[in-house]
Amino acid sequence: AQSVTQLGSHVSVSEGALVLLRCNYSSSVPPYLFWYVQYPNQGLQLLLKYTSAATLVKGINGFEAEFKKSETSFHLTKPSAHMSDAAEYFCAVSSNTGNQFYFGTGTSLTVIP
Amino acid sequence: GAVVSQHPSRVICKSGTSVKIECRSLDFQATTMFWYRQFPKQSLMLMATSNEGSKATYEQGVEKDKFLINHASLTLSTLTVTSAHPEDSSFYICSAPDGGGGTDTQYFGPGTRLTVL
Repeated sequence: AQSVTQLGSHVSVSEGALVLLRCNYSSSVPPYLFWYVQYPNQGLQLLLKYTSAATLVKGINGFEAEFKKSETSFHLTKPSAHMSDAAEYFCAVSSNTGNQFYFGTGTSLTVIP
Repeated sequence: GAVVSQHPSRVICKSGTSVKIECRSLDFQATTMFWYRQFPKQSLMLMATSNEGSKATYEQGVEKDKFLINHASLTLSTLTVTSAHPEDSSFYICSAPDGGGGTDTQYFGPGTRLTVL
């Protein structure tokens, strides 16, 4: 069985501040982990993915995430928030990049000017 | 890069009618596609796995007779919401893995917003 838990359904940061969105996973097999961003009334856009290579994964728009097996975590970070980062962020787990995904409940990021 | 399209992007229907949503992989073949449902301000929930040439696999709690899935070709899967009711109003998203290059990459469609009056 696979699942992810996203702590904090709403996160607010000031423009220029560090963004930290938390994701913990549960998986009976080596996981593949993903972060997606969703803007209002739009589909999902892949930010980054972990597929058992480097534990620190860099994605688009300055985001990165670190896979920590000991903590079963895959937190998403960005050093400096931009107004355009305001969106809904979803963490997802899969047993393979081609298999079905299981999504977390999402974290809504607000960036305060 | 690979693209997955959905049609229609938005549909409004009366209660009791059936609605068909198409999911197409535009420049790659997909023997498997996935259907998700997203209620307002909630996460995506996997509904079913669509398999080309065979029956779909439904997640627990999803009514197979209500959500009919047909994967008739390697580039097209359809989801038909039969006898739709207001509680079926949701954002439906499909995805398809592109097996090219040795590692599958999952591509998501832009979603279809269904409103049942």
